[in-house]
Amino acid sequence: DAGVIQSPRHEVTEMGQEVTLRCKPISGHNSLFWYRQTMMRGLELLIYFNNNVPIDDSGMPEDRFSAKMPNASFSTLKIQPSEPRDSAVYFCASTLAGGNTGELFFGEGSRLTVL
Amino acid sequence: EDQVTQSPEALRLQEGESSSLNCSYTVSGLRGLFWYRQDPGKGPEFLFTLYSAGEEKEKERLKATLTKKESFLHITAPKPEDSATYLCAVQAGNTDKLIFGTGTRLQVFP
Repeated sequence: DAGVIQSPRHEVTEMGQEVTLRCKPISGHNSLFWYRQTMMRGLELLIYFNNNVPIDDSGMPEDRFSAKMPNASFSTLKIQPSEPRDSAVYFCASTLAGGNTGELFFGEGSRLTVL
Repeated sequence: EDQVTQSPEALRLQEGESSSLNCSYTVSGLRGLFWYRQDPGKGPEFLFTLYSAGEEKEKERLKATLTKKESFLHITAPKPEDSATYLCAVQAGNTDKLIFGTGTRLQVFP
């Protein structure tokens, strides 16, 4: 079975550019999480969806960040405009709502560098 | 505010030298405590779930325990392949979100 698939794996962009990160969760999972990881702050939850509906977006830093889940097999995290402080590794994770929702299956991450 | 603190930040062990990693937490209504392993360049990988004080879980050389204020990850006779960052996370109340600690970076030398 394929795991959580994220793209791109690496992205280098210049300040002010739009960045779109993509995630395909594990088939059958109906909860999806976006996390950001930095050395200073560790793993921080940005937003999570249950059944394609955003449940908690309190971790989204500001209006420059937006996330969508148009269907059960695809989600995007968009940053517009990007800033150097957005440089981090962004992880997508999925799980089955109603099961052990603390057992998350993570993708390999998208490493974003904003110059 | 729900919070997770892990110590030490880094730990170097000789192969076979047993030790423990600590995870202290404050949370309103613990729903579960979770341990993950993260290898460089990879996403975290789930290890254990603990639900209540006194509970223990084991997997190979790892054993996780839980009290009302902290959890320990005991590593018995570690091998170099146990080298990784170990992350602790809590889930509180009626939410599905996990709050992670910043991790303990473990290095095991042959």
